[in-house]
Amino acid sequence: ETGVTQSPTHLIKTRGQQVTLRCSSQSGHNTVSWYQQALGQGPQFIFQYYREEENGRGNFPPRFSGLQFPNYSSELNVNALELDDSALYLCASSPSGGLGIQETQYFGPGTRLLVL
Amino acid sequence: AQRVTQPEKLLSVFKGAPVELKCNYSYSGSPELFWYVQYSRQRLQLLLRHISRESIKGFTADLNKGETSFHLKKPFAQEEDSAMYYCALYTGNQFYFGTGTSLTVIP
Repeated sequence: ETGVTQSPTHLIKTRGQQVTLRCSSQSGHNTVSWYQQALGQGPQFIFQYYREEENGRGNFPPRFSGLQFPNYSSELNVNALELDDSALYLCASSPSGGLGIQETQYFGPGTRLLVL
Repeated sequence: AQRVTQPEKLLSVFKGAPVELKCNYSYSGSPELFWYVQYSRQRLQLLLRHISRESIKGFTADLNKGETSFHLKKPFAQEEDSAMYYCALYTGNQFYFGTGTSLTVIP
């Protein structure tokens, strides 16, 4: 059984650009969540997908968008990058979900994004 | 409004001493609470969740709805407990994490 993987590990972009981050869920997991973790802070919930549908969203603007694919891998897209978007982006998968049900999340290693 | 508060950013205890990491939450509904831990150079991982009522690695946490707290406790700290600890709240469609407490166990 493979764990959660994320790509790339590091990324440097300039302000105004767009970025796509990828996450491969743990085998058998149909729920994925994305988090932004700024330096010295706890993870901030961006959104969660369950069976390809958005299942919850944190306080992030619409330029943060996501996709979950039939194989349950997922992407986080961020448009019009701002300097404050520099952070570690974590994804976490869990074995089941749906509204109001939260199973154990398994985190990936993260993608560190730097916006210049 | 901040949903999860961890008042201590840093906490140091001696090996063998009791340890308590504080967590307070703000939520009017029925909360689902978790403690996550991140050891040095490792991924964030679940330590325990309140609905399981388990003791993991000697740690326990009791949900106190009156005080809106979910403090993490261990009677005798070990060096391998040194890590970053995050308290997290799930409200049914959102997760809220605290800012974390860095625990150092002094040998």
